[in-house]
Amino acid sequence: AQSVTQLDSQVPVFEEAPVELRCNYSSSVSVYLFWYVQYPNQGLQLLLKYLSGSTLVKSINGFEAEFNKSQTSFHLRKPSVHISDTAEYFCAVNWKSSGGYQKVTFGTGTKLQVIP
Amino acid sequence: GAGVSQSPSNKVTEKGKDVELRCDPISGHTALYWYRQRLGQGLEFLIYFQGNSAPDKSGLPSDRFSAERTGESVSTLTIQRTQQEDSAVYLCASSLGLAGVGTDTQYFGPGTRLTVL
Repeated sequence: AQSVTQLDSQVPVFEEAPVELRCNYSSSVSVYLFWYVQYPNQGLQLLLKYLSGSTLVKSINGFEAEFNKSQTSFHLRKPSVHISDTAEYFCAVNWKSSGGYQKVTFGTGTKLQVIP
Repeated sequence: GAGVSQSPSNKVTEKGKDVELRCDPISGHTALYWYRQRLGQGLEFLIYFQGNSAPDKSGLPSDRFSAERTGESVSTLTIQRTQQEDSAVYLCASSLGLAGVGTDTQYFGPGTRLTVL
């Protein structure tokens, strides 16, 4: 089974500073990787995803994540954060079990707090 | 509808009672997922439907939990004889369900907050 580790439960960062939210998963078998975001009082929504091809994927609001197979990581970065980025960020892995079933494993989430 | 809807938004029940949670997916989405999110924890995958079939029910926490789906539409998650540890937010998501479902983006509903007294 897969596990997803988001080591940082909370990350405070000043506005316009860079940020990295870490995500590691447990196995290098074929996986698809996602970052979801939950803004205050809103539902979860997709931020970006890696399926294949270029290992660097980007969102429309300036976030990017790089798939690193050797380190089994998919860290999320932004060079300059805004107040509006304050939210909880979840890393997720889609994978196929030995029984051939699709499985989804989410990390425990990282709360990003942008400080003015 | 435009998005995934869930009802009720909040449910308070007494220990031992049965509850039924409802999810209306986005029209045309063949895949539907249920998750549980306990306070301060990540999302726990419960069950996944492709059409009205649930190929893998191993994520359901106990035999008190069951789920069904009518065609490629509404799904209900039923919890029998509720316990206090069932208190959580129950989230539903749907996706297109393309071949190679693992590539799908999931669209989440607002969740049902269940409190078992």
